[in-house]
Amino acid sequence: DQQVKQNSPSLSVQEGRISILNCDYTNSMFDYFLWYKKYPAEGPTFLISISSIKDKNEDGRFTVFLNKSAKHLSLHIVPSQPGDSAVYFCAAMGGGSNYKLTFGKGTLLTVNP
Amino acid sequence: NAGVTQTPKFRILKIGQSMTLQCTQDMNHNYMYWYRQDPGMGLKLIYYSVGAGITDKGEVPNGYNVSRSTTEDFPLRLELAAPSQTSVYFCASSYRPDRSGNTIYFGEGSWLTVV
Repeated sequence: DQQVKQNSPSLSVQEGRISILNCDYTNSMFDYFLWYKKYPAEGPTFLISISSIKDKNEDGRFTVFLNKSAKHLSLHIVPSQPGDSAVYFCAAMGGGSNYKLTFGKGTLLTVNP
Repeated sequence: NAGVTQTPKFRILKIGQSMTLQCTQDMNHNYMYWYRQDPGMGLKLIYYSVGAGITDKGEVPNGYNVSRSTTEDFPLRLELAAPSQTSVYFCASSYRPDRSGNTIYFGEGSWLTVV
């Protein structure tokens, strides 16, 4: 029972173009969504997050969009750079005092020079 | 500035053996977590702790045990290793409940193979 789904295992884009990574969720109790980036042989590092009361959050080249009615969020990277090549995990947190993360399977982004 | 330190980084175990994955953080964080990541899968929570002396099960606790005798340390114990426990294990910590996510720090991972 996957509550956070990343249906694209991989994505390849050209340097300078936009990368769009998608994530769907099923649990209506999730009220905070996060993106983590992971390089090989390293632990995940936090990238950007969004509260369920917002529909957009921007940080430099990274923007996360949330569509609550569709239970869908996306991460946009503009412009994409070769150093962005990594696995990107979508994660969600539930309501109340539960601060545990539920992760998707991840999407491998490759940015080609 | 060590952050979250996990040892060992790599280990091969035989079926039925036991071992402990060590995790230490030097940030005085209250919350600590153990996740496992199977190939092609997301991270799944094994156990977590909200402070010294307090632990609780996550999504996939079977086959594991934890203890939290100090704020800094959160070891994960595998009592009878099984091939299904072949995975990459990540320890993480955070200071206090923070919904932003940017206060959760992960270690570099421990690669465990059970043969």
